[in-house]
Amino acid sequence: GENVGLHLPTLSVQEGDNSIINCAYSNSASDYFIWYKQESGKGPQFIIDIRSNMDKRQGQRVTVLLNKTVKHLSLQIAATQPGDSAVYFCAEIVQGGSEKLVFGKGTKLTVNP
Amino acid sequence: DTEVTQTPKHLVMGMTNKKSLKCEQHMGHRAMYWYKQKAKKPPELMFVYSYEKLSINESVPSRFSPECPNSSLLNLHLHALQPEDSALYLCASSRFSSGRGYEQYFGPGTRLTVT
Repeated sequence: GENVGLHLPTLSVQEGDNSIINCAYSNSASDYFIWYKQESGKGPQFIIDIRSNMDKRQGQRVTVLLNKTVKHLSLQIAATQPGDSAVYFCAEIVQGGSEKLVFGKGTKLTVNP
Repeated sequence: DTEVTQTPKHLVMGMTNKKSLKCEQHMGHRAMYWYKQKAKKPPELMFVYSYEKLSINESVPSRFSPECPNSSLLNLHLHALQPEDSALYLCASSRFSSGRGYEQYFGPGTRLTVT
């Protein structure tokens, strides 16, 4: 669990640019992954999830990519806005296994106007 | 309604006090969770309740005592805490156990300070 989330701890981008937040996981048995956004003073908010039978999943302005070969997960945010400033956590779980959702260390995204 | 509510929002307590944190959800979720989050760290799982039964205790000290009175409510009873227990305590719920691939919805947390 402690190895989930090798990452840059901070990321600063200009408003309107695309952001890419990376996450590496170590448990090859993990088969369900979630990205959460946590704004200051709030609880984590679900952004998007992906199961291991998929390589890519798109939401509104967000895309998650999963590379099982190198155990790497990324979150892409298109046209980043100031409201996207937050800490982003990846989290993994083994479906059918423990109920324990393991969080990565988090990346703090700052969007400059 | 995809909301998990937590009360109180802030709590300051002494080391000899007894207090309780409360969590509520009305989404019909059958799994509920307590997490502890220190500043600049990810949430750490404390307890998992599945169908109102405790299914995971992550070796949490006995000064933290969880309770699930019904499928909508989750409490965390606090007694004889230490200053290092000061943290944000997050409650979450999911439709079923996250081990079955269901996302967890988080509440806003209770900011606890132990003096």
